[in-house]
Amino acid sequence: SQQGEEDPQALSIQEGENATMNCSYKTSINNLQWYRQNSGRGLVHLILIRSNEREKHSGRLRVTLDTSKKSSSLLITASRAADTASYFCATDAVNYGQNFVFGPGTRLSVLP
Amino acid sequence: GAVVSQHPSWVICKSGTSVKIECRSLDFQATTMFWYRQFPKQSLMLMATSNEGSKATYEQGVEKDKFLINHASLTLSTLTVTSAHPEDSSFYICSARTSGRLGTDTQYFGPGTRLTVL
Repeated sequence: SQQGEEDPQALSIQEGENATMNCSYKTSINNLQWYRQNSGRGLVHLILIRSNEREKHSGRLRVTLDTSKKSSSLLITASRAADTASYFCATDAVNYGQNFVFGPGTRLSVLP
Repeated sequence: GAVVSQHPSWVICKSGTSVKIECRSLDFQATTMFWYRQFPKQSLMLMATSNEGSKATYEQGVEKDKFLINHASLTLSTLTVTSAHPEDSSFYICSARTSGRLGTDTQYFGPGTRLTVL
């Protein structure tokens, strides 16, 4: 069964606006990662946040992690049309060993 | 960053034939490689985990005789879809994980292989 659950499943915004996606998970994790996938393409690693971290930044990306609520959020600021893609969270769960469990993803459309 | 390649990137085959997909780590040695399958507009589902020199571990519901995995070296893993059928049409993505210099926390994903079975 899937560990991560992103919401919303689909998000449509105008260029320049901020986009926020959330991810919830069920079990204890070592870390959580966000990936981007353009249509029909492979995954691109965006950011990793460890279980003892609360917030991380990378360029226009900001990720937060609340282990008490078992949730994470990905904020993309000043969105661009090129940000249009599906975004997945993946958890490196303590009990899953060395593989990641992916959520269903959020499809983000940034309209010019 | 580390690079993982897949070959072919796109393959179309007739029903009943077998298709082999290669996954290579280009600039690092991968002790563990993973194979995922992704149906349209869905997330990635782990199919199997392979460690170099040992048998792959398959996830529940994945037929090991249908999806043959060979992790022949620290830089190469292959997935063979045997006797492919239209329902096997999917996007297959591999990833590689290593320890040491590149760390153990980030899996590096290949670009994926789109399989279409007619």
